[in-house]
Amino acid sequence: AQKVTQAQTEISVVEKEDVTLDCVYETRDTTYYLFWYKQPPSGELVFLIRRNSFDEQNEISGRYSWNFQKSTSSFNFTITASQVVDSAVYFCALSEWHAGNMLTFGGGTRLMVKP
Amino acid sequence: GAVVSQHPSRVICKSGTSVKIECRSLDFQATTMFWYRQFPKQSLMLMATSNEGSKATYEQGVEKDKFLINHASLTLSTLTVTSAHPEDSSFYICSARDRQGGLEQYFGPGTRLTVT
Repeated sequence: AQKVTQAQTEISVVEKEDVTLDCVYETRDTTYYLFWYKQPPSGELVFLIRRNSFDEQNEISGRYSWNFQKSTSSFNFTITASQVVDSAVYFCALSEWHAGNMLTFGGGTRLMVKP
Repeated sequence: GAVVSQHPSRVICKSGTSVKIECRSLDFQATTMFWYRQFPKQSLMLMATSNEGSKATYEQGVEKDKFLINHASLTLSTLTVTSAHPEDSSFYICSARDRQGGLEQYFGPGTRLTVT
């Protein structure tokens, strides 16, 4: 069985603060993929990143960075110097190769960035 | 590239009527499309997997006779909510996987269904 847990349901920060969104996953597969998506109020999912289970290298893209640690089954997402436009719901998701790469989403974290 | 559209974006229908939602891959062919449902302040839940030319595979707890899925071509899948009830009001999102392989699911913009 696969499971994704985003323990933080809502986070509120003030603009320019850094914020980390946590994601913990469970899987028995050795080949799997982890994703982060952003869902702004419009509802459309925006793909942010995909990581495969063999690549633990952290990634940085502008103000976004991701920390993948297999030892703790976590794939955390940090936004540096947050902006109001970052306000959205963020979903972490997992797909397992042996399960046909079906996506299982975490519960989501609602991030509110206040000016 | 990899654009998925949904139509309509919003629909309001009366209880007991049926409504059809279309999901199209605009610039690629999709052998597999997925339908998700998202209730307010909740996560996306997979309803069914739609394969071109074959019957859809429904997730546990999803009524296949109520949510009819047709994937008649490599660029179009439709979800028909039959005899809709207020509890079917939700945000329906489709995604498509490129026929040429790869892992990505490209998501449509979603359809907000309100049943009165």
